[in-house]
Amino acid sequence: IAGITQAPTSQILAAGRRMTLRCTQDMRHNAMYWYRQDLGLGLRLIHYSNTAGTTGKGEVPDGYSVSRANTDDFPLTLASAVPSQTSVYFCASSPQGGTEAFFGQGTRLTVV
Amino acid sequence: KNQVEQSPQSLIILEGKNCTLQCNYTVSPFSNLRWYKQDTGRGPVSLTIMTFSENTKSNGRYTATLDADTKQSSLHITASQLSDSASYICVVRLTSGTYKYIFGTGTRLKVLA
Repeated sequence: IAGITQAPTSQILAAGRRMTLRCTQDMRHNAMYWYRQDLGLGLRLIHYSNTAGTTGKGEVPDGYSVSRANTDDFPLTLASAVPSQTSVYFCASSPQGGTEAFFGQGTRLTVV
Repeated sequence: KNQVEQSPQSLIILEGKNCTLQCNYTVSPFSNLRWYKQDTGRGPVSLTIMTFSENTKSNGRYTATLDADTKQSSLHITASQLSDSASYICVVRLTSGTYKYIFGTGTRLKVLA
């Protein structure tokens, strides 16, 4: 079934540890995004990629990095996790023109 | 500042009743507006998308309206069902090259039997 898949679905992480959230899509969408969703706030853009080989910073990029080596994969890395990065993370993708964004099921991350 | 505000924050209705959710935005330059449904523990799923020139768009029991002059949108749910219990998120897209989306904080709808 075509779609966008995130892994893991949930994770508890010790502060200071490094963590990579995985995101894979099989729809051949050019654009991919990482958002975080916190209680009382709308989804906020962390990083995005318009096409393979390019990335850009969103609203809240500090403490996160991404790479886009190919069309399908867009991993998000926390180099040294802090408790404020406790959140639900959503990966999304959209086709050329960005008419609609398709979301993964989310990764619930708790940093303790 | 680009903002999308939704009201009410939460809503409880009885099964079979209708309801209307509101979205006001101050986003510019405007490209399109979407409504998403997000079930608990899941990612958002698109319900409707409207461009500047569209006033209304339906998807089954969901009908979205857009007034680009007043920068307001609404989502009307007809004959609500228990499965409509979810958060409904209004999202406005900018006409920039970075595919930037501004998300509202959502309305949490609970439908009771």
